[in-house]
Parts: sequence; structure tokens; C-alpha cells
Amino acid sequence: EAQVTQNPRYLITVTGKKLTVTCSQNMNHEYMSWYRQDPGLGLRQIYYSMNVEVTDKGDVPEGYKVSRKEKRNFPLILESPSPNQTSLYFCASSYIRDASNEQFFGPGTRLTVL
Amino acid sequence: QKEVEQNSGPLSVPEGAIASLNCTYSDRGSQSFFWYRQYSGKSPELIMFIYSNGDKEDGRFTAQLNKASQYVSLLIRDSQPSDSATYLCAVNDYKLSFGAGTTVTVRA
Repeated sequence: EAQVTQNPRYLITVTGKKLTVTCSQNMNHEYMSWYRQDPGLGLRQIYYSMNVEVTDKGDVPEGYKVSRKEKRNFPLILESPSPNQTSLYFCASSYIRDASNEQFFGPGTRLTVL
Repeated sequence: QKEVEQNSGPLSVPEGAIASLNCTYSDRGSQSFFWYRQYSGKSPELIMFIYSNGDKEDGRFTAQLNKASQYVSLLIRDSQPSDSATYLCAVNDYKLSFGAGTTVTVRA
């Protein structure tokens, strides 16, 4: 089954404790992206990657890191989480080929930073 | 000015009516446009994409694009309670930019 998976789905942590949210896709997509979703603000892009070893900042990259060592994986790293990073996070992936490059979303990770 | 603007709603329509959702975007060079549906607590799923001026129909959904006015809309005909969700407009430049979403409630 074609899918984007994220782990963990739910996470409660404390300020300053490093964490990683994993994202994996099995569709051989070149493009992968991380979003955060907050009430009233919609989906905001954190980082994206056009291919292996190619990453770039989105609209709200502060406090986050990413890496793309393999095509299928795109982990999101919070080196020192803070309460303002409490949010719902989505990973997404797509092909890069034409205007109809539908993004497929993972199930989401709900993060709470105390 | 935000890149993609949507009426936040909520939009309440009776069952069987037409729900009309609007979206404007700031970058005149934008090429393709998407409507995603998101149920509460779930991930967004694509309903339609459009990149040519005019209308595009898919079942009960019609997307309308007017590039001169920088405007894209989504019509949901014969609205059903299962259509109750948040609808996200997205614009594809070098990345996908989302509006804040419009919450639709269909009253039975």
C-alpha cells in the first residue's frame, strides 16, 4: 500500500529534550516536506527536500532541523523543543514532474512540549 | 499580505444545498491550484487540482479558476453531512502554500 508513515503519532515531552519525528514514504517520491498546523493558521511549511541531500527552509524553519540521507526518509529534528513548538505536524511527499503533483500526507504527529 | 487567503468560516449549509468556498492568492505567476479536504484530527486529502482558467468538474465538486482575478473557488453541490470538514486551498509555486482553511458544516 502506497503511504506516508510518521512516528510517533503522539508525543508529550519537556522543554529542551531533543526529539526526532520520523517520516517515511514508499512511493519513490523525490519531494518531501514537513508542515505544522496550528488553529487559525493553516498548514505552514517548515522544511522541504527536492531529493536526497537537497533540503531548504520553508516558512517557519526556526527551531527545526531536517536531513535527507535516503530518498524514502525525511526526519524532523527538534534539538531543544520549546512550548511554542506544540503543534500538529504533518509530513508529505510527492513526485516532481508536472503541475498536478499531488502531495500525499502522513497521519500526523501531535506534539506537546511542556 | 498572506500568500493564500480563504474565508475562515464557519460555513453552514443545509443538506442538499450548494456550498461555495473562495480563495485568493497573491502571486500572479502561480501555476497550479489545489483543494484539500481535512476531517477533524485527520490528514489533508486531495479533492481536486486545477491549472487552466475556467471550470473543472469531478462528481459533486467543481473548481473554478480565474487567473486574471487571482481567484479560485470550490463548489460542492448536493452537500451531504459527510462533506462537513475543513477545506484547504493550496497554491503551487516552487512550494505548496496553504490557506488557513474554511470549515464547512452541512446540517441534516
